[in-house]
Amino acid sequence: QVQLQESGPGLVKPSQTLSLTCIVSGGSITDANYYWSWIRQSAGKGLEWIGRMSASGSIDYNPSLASRVTMSRDTPKNQFSLRLTSVTATDTAMYYCARGVSGRKLINWFDPWGRGTLVTVSS
Amino acid sequence: DIQMTQSPSSLSASVGDRVTITCQASHDISDYLNWYQQKPGKAPKLLIFDASNLETGVPSRFSGSGSGTYFTFIITSLQPEDIATYYCQQYDDLPYTFGRGTKLEI
Repeated sequence: QVQLQESGPGLVKPSQTLSLTCIVSGGSITDANYYWSWIRQSAGKGLEWIGRMSASGSIDYNPSLASRVTMSRDTPKNQFSLRLTSVTATDTAMYYCARGVSGRKLINWFDPWGRGTLVTVSS
Repeated sequence: DIQMTQSPSSLSASVGDRVTITCQASHDISDYLNWYQQKPGKAPKLLIFDASNLETGVPSRFSGSGSGTYFTFIITSLQPEDIATYYCQQYDDLPYTFGRGTKLEI
C-alpha cells in the first residue's frame, strides 16, 4: 500500500522560497505506471494542480506557476520535492503530494494523496 | 485552461435522500472526469473515475454519469458518513483542473 508524506516548513516569509518534500513508501517513484504530483488547496483558488513528474523524471508544470516552480527528485531516497520562489500571501495553502495513475492519459486520476501540509506565507 | 463549473456549491439534505451534483466543463472532455470526496481535515479521496466507474471499495450508493461537457454525481441514499465536500476533476488536458466543490450538509 503506497503512502505519501509531505514535509517542510509551515511558515515562509513573503518573497522567500517555499520548499517541500514528499516521501513515498510502499512503492517506487521510478515505477513507469505512475506520475507524481503536487496539488495545493486554498480558500481563494480551491484545488490547484501544480506539476507532475514522470517515472523517468520528465516534468510538466501548471503554466500559471511555471515561472516560479521547480520539481525535483531523489530516487535513492524515493522522494520528490517542490520549490516555489517569490511567495506571497496568495501562496498560503494546504500542499498535497499525490500519485497520478496512468492509463488512457498520462495521468488518469490522483490516488492516493498525502495528508497535506499547511504552508502559511507571512512575515 | 478547462474550467469546471460545479453546482450547487452547498447542499443540505437528510439521511436517505437522493443527492445530485453536477459538473460542467468549458470544453468537451469526453469522459475524462473524476469525482473525489474530501472530509474535514483529510485529503481528497477518489470515488469515481472515467465519469462513471466506481473505485474499488466505494459503496454502490455513489454513481456518476455523463460525457462531453455535462456530468452528474449521485448519492442514492445519503448516509451520515457521506458528509463531505465533493469535487470533480478533468484530466483531458493540462493543466488538470478541479471544480470548486459541493459541500454536503445534513
